Amino acid sequence: DTAVSQTPKYLVTQMGNDKSIKCEQNLGHDTMYWYKQDSKKFLKIMFSYNNKELIINETVPNRFSPKSPDKAHLNLHINSLELGDSAVYFCASSQDSGGRGLFFGSGTQLSVL
Amino acid sequence: KQEVTQIPAALSVPEGENLVLNCSFTDSAIYNLQWFRQDPGKGLTSLLLIQSSQREQTSGRLNASLDKSSGRSTLYIAASQPGDSATYLCAVVDGSNYQLIWGAGTKLIIKP
Repeated sequence: DTAVSQTPKYLVTQMGNDKSIKCEQNLGHDTMYWYKQDSKKFLKIMFSYNNKELIINETVPNRFSPKSPDKAHLNLHINSLELGDSAVYFCASSQDSGGRGLFFGSGTQLSVL
Repeated sequence: KQEVTQIPAALSVPEGENLVLNCSFTDSAIYNLQWFRQDPGKGLTSLLLIQSSQREQTSGRLNASLDKSSGRSTLYIAASQPGDSATYLCAVVDGSNYQLIWGAGTKLIIKP
């Protein structure tokens, strides 16, 4: 039973399209995150939600919009996809906003053509 | 601004050896420090979490230490196995803003 599941695992799309990546956690955690892994393998935080409230919003183009319908879900919607958006996106959750018990999903590889 | 550095960037050792991975951070005001492994094509796996008040944590063949005053943590792997081959990442939770700050990782290869 996957603790943090994100779908799809792979996403190939054309420039200019709008796409969404979904994330769900069944750990009962209060905080969820979206990270982007760049070409140097750095993991950069994009957003963090604690009990459905946005607590971290890094410098990310406003084409990226997170949505948290409840504390078990944090979806990432991307408008007008660009080539530079190609990366692996990781969802994660933790018990609290301090990162306790941080658990990652397996990633979504996004390829923009 | 908190920065996390991991040395070396890559390490290759024969199976059975004990090894140490290093992580350093610039600001000692951290909430906790975590070690992760990342396998190609898979997600991240949390290995050990050390709270700021702790000095070390152990799990099986892994031992992580934390010295906040010097801004250092080490991950000790005993009796390495080929299955330990992965990228190991260190991350600190900044004590002021609770952001997770990541190191670039150490790519470990254990040769059979």
